[in-house]
Amino acid sequence: EAGVAQSPRYKIIEKRQSVAFWCNPISGHATLYWYQQILGQGPKLLIQFQNNGVVDDSQLPKDRFSAERLKGVDSTLKIQPAKLEDSAVYLCASSRMADTQYFGPGTRLTVL
Amino acid sequence: QKEVEQDPGPLSVPEGAIVSLNCTYSNSAFQYFMWYRQYSRKGPELLMYTYSSGNKEDGRFTAQVDKSSKYISLFIRDSQPSDSATYLCAMRASGGYNKLIFGAGTRLAVHP
Repeated sequence: EAGVAQSPRYKIIEKRQSVAFWCNPISGHATLYWYQQILGQGPKLLIQFQNNGVVDDSQLPKDRFSAERLKGVDSTLKIQPAKLEDSAVYLCASSRMADTQYFGPGTRLTVL
Repeated sequence: QKEVEQDPGPLSVPEGAIVSLNCTYSNSAFQYFMWYRQYSRKGPELLMYTYSSGNKEDGRFTAQVDKSSKYISLFIRDSQPSDSATYLCAMRASGGYNKLIFGAGTRLAVHP
């Protein structure tokens, strides 16, 4: 069974630029999560989708971050404009419902 | 005060040692407790999953939950250099979409 796929793996941008990350969850997994992991910290949930509906986006900075999950499968997370403090690893995870979460390798973002 | 506290380490032990990793938490509603292992530049992978209080053993790994003390532990017996990674505790309340709250992670190095 293929795992959670993410791209790109690394991205370097300058502040105020925009960036987008893509995630393809495990086939059949209804729930998809985006996490932000700042160096030295644990992952923090940004947004959770159940199929293509948002379940929790309470910690998503909505003035600059947006996410969508078209057709309940793939998802994109966008940051516009980026700030220095957005430098982090962005992890995507999926689960069948609200059970065990399987994580992708993450996208390491550096904002200069 | 953070909901989940975890000593970041680093923890350095010789091969074959018994390792003890711990987390404390403040939210008495937490019912599901997990330990994830994260290798450098990889996503977290689930190691152990425990519901409520008690012990769970899987090979060289033992997870303990003491809800009365709001304290969870992960023990690694006969540690190997391949166990060198960051170990993240995570927990959530019961109910379908309660989000997972992670500790900061403890970095473990097992040297030959």
